[in-house]
Amino acid sequence: QQPVQSPQAVILREGEDAVINCSSSKALYSVHWYRQKHGEAPVFLMILLKGGEQKGHEKISASFNEKKQQSSLYLTASQLSYSGTYFCGTEIDTSGTYKYIFGTGTRLKVLA
Amino acid sequence: NAGVTQTPKFQVLKTGQSMTLQCAQDMNHEYMSWYRQDPGMGLRLIHYSVGAGITDQGEVPNGYNVSRSTTEDFPLRLLLAAPSQTSVYFCASSPLASSYEQYFGPGTRLTVT
Repeated sequence: QQPVQSPQAVILREGEDAVINCSSSKALYSVHWYRQKHGEAPVFLMILLKGGEQKGHEKISASFNEKKQQSSLYLTASQLSYSGTYFCGTEIDTSGTYKYIFGTGTRLKVLA
Repeated sequence: NAGVTQTPKFQVLKTGQSMTLQCAQDMNHEYMSWYRQDPGMGLRLIHYSVGAGITDQGEVPNGYNVSRSTTEDFPLRLLLAAPSQTSVYFCASSPLASSYEQYFGPGTRLTVT
């Protein structure tokens, strides 16, 4: 059930762009993106809701294809501070309520 | 607000020992959950709760028990620790709705020898 992310790891130079993909075998009702720095807890980046509504911050954008059950995170003009592990997350319906699960993660390293 | 707190930050156990990881939140969130994080495996859901008195299993529940007697607290119990339970454990909470972010605690690094 765990969403699969690709690539598993990516190395960039400052100023380069990257795309991180998240694919689910289950229907996605919303997709959340988080970034985790080494030794710290994950930090929320943004939420994408069905119908295209997007809530988030920072110079990072994302897309959500409900039919394909996929989401992509776009990091443009990367900065050193973008380094970390990125996770997508989504809720899975469980008979009237839901449980929240995360993807496999993508390690991103930005070099000067 | 303290947010989500976890104790202890670090713990070393011997195989067969038991212990409880504590998690508390002061945001009146209905939803609370426990994850373990292992290299290359992402964050895997152990157990979750949608309110006081209600708990359910996640993706990797074996070897762990939980209870939710209050809205604020959601302890995770390791019954008979095994080396395979060596991991970093995160507790998270959120309002019970899909459009809200998960708030994470700082994590507990557990080593079982």
